[in-house]
Amino acid sequence: ELKVEQNPLFLSMQEGKNYTIYCNYSTTSDRLYWYRQDPGKSLESLFVLLSNGAVKQEGRLMASLDTKARLSTLHITAAVHDLSATYFCAVTGFYNNNDMRFGAGTRLTVKP
Amino acid sequence: NAGVMQNPRHLVRRRGQEARLRCSPMKGHSHVYWYRQLPEEGLKFMVYLQKENIIDESGMPKERFSAEFPKEGPSILRIQQVVRGDSAAYFCASSQLGDTGELFFGEGSRLTVL
Repeated sequence: ELKVEQNPLFLSMQEGKNYTIYCNYSTTSDRLYWYRQDPGKSLESLFVLLSNGAVKQEGRLMASLDTKARLSTLHITAAVHDLSATYFCAVTGFYNNNDMRFGAGTRLTVKP
Repeated sequence: NAGVMQNPRHLVRRRGQEARLRCSPMKGHSHVYWYRQLPEEGLKFMVYLQKENIIDESGMPKERFSAEFPKEGPSILRIQQVVRGDSAAYFCASSQLGDTGELFFGEGSRLTVL
């Protein structure tokens, strides 16, 4: 069964600091997604990573994928308060692209 | 270009009543997914549908829950004889086959069972 684990689950950081969120998954996959969710809101797509070694950056966020290690990272650079949200990674199975499994989410709080 | 539309946004039901949640996918998308999110938790896959077909319902409870995506009209997630444990946010997402597989989510329907 495809399992997705994120850590940390809770992250409190100061503005201006850097940090990395990790996403491990249990089976072969070459498609990984990062989403952001604000409280009471829907999920917003941040990144789609489709191959080993893929790296994508948008503003202060950078995501990477290592399919051999079954690991993706979401790196936050010089955090600002607006980045406070819950971040989810999600993976589709290698043999079933229709079943997207989500991690439990990382709740990020950026303090002034 | 309208996104994924869900309604109602909030629904309150008493135990034993029925809940119907509707989802209209993005224009041009023919694949619909339903997820459930309990408070402080991630999303749990429930069911994946294409027009007039259930493709994968492995995440949906066998009893009381059903889903459809008719030829015309929105996809509907139906919960019969609701219990307190059904209280959750139900998210619908859509995608277009052949795309990256990226899902686009609606705003969710928040069900509260009294």
